[in-house]
Amino acid sequence: DAGVIQSPRHEVTEMGQEVTLRCKPISGHNSLFWYRQTMMRGLELLIYFNNNVPIDDSGMPEDRFSAKMPNASFSTLKIQPSEPRDSAVYFCASSFDGQPQHFGDGTRLSIL
Amino acid sequence: GNSVTQMEGPVTLSEEAFLTINCTYTATGYPSLFWYVQYPGEGLQLLLKATKADDKGSNKGFEATYRKETTSFHLEKGSVQVSDSAVYFCALSDRTGGGNKLTFGTGTQLKVEL
Repeated sequence: DAGVIQSPRHEVTEMGQEVTLRCKPISGHNSLFWYRQTMMRGLELLIYFNNNVPIDDSGMPEDRFSAKMPNASFSTLKIQPSEPRDSAVYFCASSFDGQPQHFGDGTRLSIL
Repeated sequence: GNSVTQMEGPVTLSEEAFLTINCTYTATGYPSLFWYVQYPGEGLQLLLKATKADDKGSNKGFEATYRKETTSFHLEKGSVQVSDSAVYFCALSDRTGGGNKLTFGTGTQLKVEL
């Protein structure tokens, strides 16, 4: 079975550019989560959706970050404009009806 | 609010040594508890879980028991292998909002040497 699929796996871009991270959850899962992982702050929940509706976006660091889930099989996390302090590994995870979350392999983002 | 506290790493052990990684939690209600493992360059993988007090989760030789009286969920393995080297995260779940929001500890890096 296909797991959570994230793209791209690596992204290097200059500050000020728009960055779009993509996630395809496991088919049938109804919750989707975006996390950010850094050495300094560990693993942080940015936002999560349930049945495509954003439930908690209190972890989104600032207005430069936005996330959408237009349908059950796709979500994006955008950063505009990007800054060097946004450099991190971004993970997407999905789950069904309270079952354990399944994680993608992450997108390693470097903002120069 | 919910929180999870893990012992700081790195933990360095020789192969076949006994492993304990401590985890304690603070939560309202009755959360489910999890251990996730992250190998280098990969996402987190569920290692084991327990959904109620006194449950024991186990997988791949790892075990953890949900202790409500001590609010703990310590991870143990009787004999570690080099391949167990990874970062281990303790987490609890919160069903608020209909999802399965997880609160993670900071992670404990395990290094197993020959």
